[in-house]
Amino acid sequence: DQQVKQNSPSLSVQEGRISILNCDYTNSMFDYFLWYKKYPAEGPTFLISISSIKDKNEDGRFTVFLNKSAKHLSLHIVPSQPGDSAVYFCAASVEGAQKLVFGQGTRLTINP
Amino acid sequence: NAGVTQTPKFRVLKTGQSMTLLCAQDMNHEYMYWYRQDPGMGLRLIHYSVGEGTTAKGEVPDGYNVSRLKKQNFLLGLESAAPSQTSVYFCASSYWRGSGYTFGSGTRLTVV
Repeated sequence: DQQVKQNSPSLSVQEGRISILNCDYTNSMFDYFLWYKKYPAEGPTFLISISSIKDKNEDGRFTVFLNKSAKHLSLHIVPSQPGDSAVYFCAASVEGAQKLVFGQGTRLTINP
Repeated sequence: NAGVTQTPKFRVLKTGQSMTLLCAQDMNHEYMYWYRQDPGMGLRLIHYSVGEGTTAKGEVPDGYNVSRLKKQNFLLGLESAAPSQTSVYFCASSYWRGSGYTFGSGTRLTVV
């Protein structure tokens, strides 16, 4: 029962263009969402988050959008840079629970 | 400022052997977690702890045990290793869910 799904295992984008990574969830009790970035042989690192009371959160080149009615969130990276090539995980949690549920991950490759 | 440190980084076990993975954090975080990462499965929660002396089961706890005798340490034990436990194991800690997790660099375990 995958509560958080990233349906695209991989994505390839040209340098300078926009990268859009998508994530769907099934649990309507989720009220906090996060994105993590992971390089090979390293642990995931926190990138950006959004509370369910918002529909957008921006941090530099990274913007997360939340569509609660569709149970969908997306991460936009503009402009994409070679250093953005990594695996991206979305994660979600329920209020009162200190644990996160992760998606399967999407491997982003930025081509020069 | 080490963050989260996992030992060992690599290990090969024979079926039936036991071992303990150690996670140490120096950020005074209350919450600690053990995840495993498998291809196509994302990060799945094995066990977690909400404070010293506490432990709780996650999504995939079978075959593992944990202990949190000191706030800074979270141990993951495999009593009788099985090939299905071949995976990359990540430890994480957090102050609260909104700040995201800090992950260790992982332990790659192979059970033959």
